[in-house]
Amino acid sequence: AQSVTQLDSQVPVFEEAPVELRCNYSSSVSVYLFWYVQYPNQGLQLLLKYLSGSTLVESINGFEAEFNKSQTSFHLRKPSVHISDTAEYFCAVMGTGRRALTFGSGTRLQVQP
Amino acid sequence: DGGITQSPKYLFRKEGQNVTLSCEQNLNHDAMYWYRQDPGQGLRLIYYSQIVNDFQKGDIAEGYSVSREKKESFPLTVTSAQKNPTAFYLCASTKVIQGAGVGPQHFGDGTRLSIL
Repeated sequence: AQSVTQLDSQVPVFEEAPVELRCNYSSSVSVYLFWYVQYPNQGLQLLLKYLSGSTLVESINGFEAEFNKSQTSFHLRKPSVHISDTAEYFCAVMGTGRRALTFGSGTRLQVQP
Repeated sequence: DGGITQSPKYLFRKEGQNVTLSCEQNLNHDAMYWYRQDPGQGLRLIYYSQIVNDFQKGDIAEGYSVSREKKESFPLTVTSAQKNPTAFYLCASTKVIQGAGVGPQHFGDGTRLSIL
């Protein structure tokens, strides 16, 4: 069985400030890790993924996440946020023997001017 | 452009009625999924299908049914047995990678179901 914990349900931050959205997981098998972003009344869009290789993965819009196996974490970071980053962010995990994702409860990022 | 189309965007159901949510994809993906999203909660898996004419229950399958007669289509029926159907329903699909599981999932824009 797998589970994902996103400790912060809401994260308010000022524009151009750095942000970290936390994600911890538990699994008895090796995992693939994902971050998705959801804008209001829309589906989820893949932000970045860790499948194997380098533990630091980056997205095209400045987000990055680091897979830390010892701490079972996959925190999402951005050095400087924009108003347009306001959205809900979901961390998800998939065990290598499983064919479906397990999602965290989401973190709402609110960027204020 | 390839993608996943969910319809309708908004749906209303009377008590005791069955309703069917449509999901179509033209990405040539093998696997398709249905999730339910409630406020303040993550997505919970209802059903998924790896190949045509085969599907498996997810974590909250009670009160729902699906079919997979075509690769492109994976409709979800919310039956009258589902006592709390008001939610946002999301369909997803992904490619099955031989020997490596599945790739990242692509999502539709969702259907919001409400009870009258």
